[in-house]
Amino acid sequence: SSELTQDPAVSVALGQTVRITCQGDSLRTYYAGWFQQKPGQAPVIVIYDENIRPSGIADRFSGSSSGNTASLTITGAQAEDEADYYCNSRDRSGNHWVFGGGTKLTVL
Amino acid sequence: QVPLVESGGGVVQPGRSLRLSCAASGLTFSSYAMHWVRQAPGKGLEWVAVISFDGSHKYSADSVKGRFSISRDNSKNTVFLQMNSLRAEDTATYYCARDLGCSNISCHGNAFDIWGQGTMVVVSS
Repeated sequence: SSELTQDPAVSVALGQTVRITCQGDSLRTYYAGWFQQKPGQAPVIVIYDENIRPSGIADRFSGSSSGNTASLTITGAQAEDEADYYCNSRDRSGNHWVFGGGTKLTVL
Repeated sequence: QVPLVESGGGVVQPGRSLRLSCAASGLTFSSYAMHWVRQAPGKGLEWVAVISFDGSHKYSADSVKGRFSISRDNSKNTVFLQMNSLRAEDTATYYCARDLGCSNISCHGNAFDIWGQGTMVVVSS
């Protein structure tokens, strides 16, 4: 079982704001990363080191963390944001990495 | 030009071996840790293994420990995954990814910034 817990599915109305969360004890110590994956494609990083957005990623994506929970927020969700989203971090040993189970985002 | 290209996947019988390669081009390779991540059909992402920038540190998931080994050749900008004693549950698409957060300077970050397109491994008799 994954050491990072995500809600399996979340929906958001077009143009509204949605928060996707990731819970795990290791998040108290290590940074979270967030990845977007569309069907048949490789994952794409959207947030790294908890809250840094890579170049080329829309500024409607943001990351934050508090205690054992990391969050990915999409402000003004677009149809093209419909995808699976995965968080990841190191585990408590610091030498292994883990992924959350993924959240399927539906944009209504 | 695709920065990371995996190869070596295919159909293999249980108990046999396979070696995956991930070739990097057009990006800084030798300064960063590299990971292998897999995804079984219809399932989520699973971290498999990591190797430090110089190959001196290697770690793997419990699910593959003792069977899979990661290595790299910085002179060829390539990272490998040797998979032995393959099982049906190893069937997955295998991705390599660069970790911008783990470099020759420090390794405190978490930034799988570049991924390959994946190579499919099917373990079946």
